[in-house]
Amino acid sequence: SQTIHQWPATLVQPVGSPLSLECTVEGTSNPNLYWYRQAAGRGLQLLFYSVGIGQISSEVPQNLSASRPQDRQFILSSKKLLLSDSGFYLCAWSRESRVNEQYFGPGTRLTVT
Amino acid sequence: AQKITQTQPGMFVQEKEAVTLDCTYDTSDPSYGLFWYKQPSSGEMIFLIYQGSYDQQNATEGRYSLNFQKARKSANLVISASQLGDSAMYFCAMSSFNQGGKLIFGQGTELSVKP
Repeated sequence: SQTIHQWPATLVQPVGSPLSLECTVEGTSNPNLYWYRQAAGRGLQLLFYSVGIGQISSEVPQNLSASRPQDRQFILSSKKLLLSDSGFYLCAWSRESRVNEQYFGPGTRLTVT
Repeated sequence: AQKITQTQPGMFVQEKEAVTLDCTYDTSDPSYGLFWYKQPSSGEMIFLIYQGSYDQQNATEGRYSLNFQKARKSANLVISASQLGDSAMYFCAMSSFNQGGKLIFGQGTELSVKP
């Protein structure tokens, strides 16, 4: 069966510090991978998605970036965090298909102080 | 532009009763999918049910069913025999073939099940 991991689970970082969130998927190959952000009490906003190694599409211009160094690894980064980067970050995967359900990881709760 | 609308910010239901959570969508793509997710207080998004735009029958998964009315562009979730563990946020989402499968979410409905 497939499993998706995210770490860390929670993170408190000062403004201007760097960020690295990691997501890995087990039990499948060549998945589509996604990063979402959820503000408190709101729906999810798609940040990045990837259909393969090194292939990243950005949905929202911001100070965040994503990378996919391996088939089942997806990393969300920032060089300098802003207060507005606080939120709940969720990684998801789906099978290589145009319309398919996505399965989410447990999420990382980021607070920028 | 694609859009998902959930007009009920919060809902209450008595334990063991059925409840319907509303969702309307807008897309010009003829090939699309509709999804419902549950988000308990732990934060994890749990996939519940899927309906394809070409499916003739409404999707069902255990106590969950999706009332798909294509002409009205609605995809309501029906939960039968509510349980206390059903208390959570519920999100309707859509993806379409031309959008590369990216999910667009509604704002969610918070369901509270009363004992």
